[in-house]
Amino acid sequence: EAQVTQNPRYLITVTGKKLTVTCSQNMNHEYMSWYRQDPGLGLRQIYYSMNVEVTDKGDVPEGYKVSRKEKRNFPLILESPSPNQTSLYFCASPSAGEDTYNEQFFGPGTRLTVL
Amino acid sequence: ELKVEQNPLFLSMQEGKNYTIYCNYSTTSDRLYWYRQDPGKSLESLFVLLSNGAVKQEGRLMASLDTKARLSTLHITAAVHDLSATYFCAVLNTGNQFYFGTGTSLTVIP
Repeated sequence: EAQVTQNPRYLITVTGKKLTVTCSQNMNHEYMSWYRQDPGLGLRQIYYSMNVEVTDKGDVPEGYKVSRKEKRNFPLILESPSPNQTSLYFCASPSAGEDTYNEQFFGPGTRLTVL
Repeated sequence: ELKVEQNPLFLSMQEGKNYTIYCNYSTTSDRLYWYRQDPGKSLESLFVLLSNGAVKQEGRLMASLDTKARLSTLHITAAVHDLSATYFCAVLNTGNQFYFGTGTSLTVIP
């Protein structure tokens, strides 16, 4: 079954304590990305990666890091979390079509609270 | 920066009625996507529209794209309660970055 997995699903932490949210896909897709969802703001892309060792900033990259050492994994790292990073995070990966991207598969989400 | 606007933000409609959700975007793109999100759940892909004039239909939902007007519509026909959810449109820009609208929360009332 095609899927994107994220861990953990829920996380409560304190300001400044480094954390990593993992993301993995089993579809051999090249493109992976991270979004945050906040009420009234929709989804905003944090970082995206179009292939291994290639990452690009999205709309809201400040305070986040990513790496893409393997095709299937795309972890999101918060080196020093702050309360304004409290949000619902989604990892996603679209299938590639001819010169574009098609159906996007989303992970189940990670609800992060930073105290 | 590409802007994507959806309206309405909230929609309450009676079962059996028709309605349209609008998605406007600010720069040229011919790649438009619609997603559905149920409360407390992740997003699922509904439609992928990749050219001007593209029309896709699935059940009571039909999506269309007018790239010249920078407008996509999601039309709901004879709404049923199961369609209650939040619907998002998203645009892919030339840099392969996705931009999402703020979402339309749809409630279908019996």
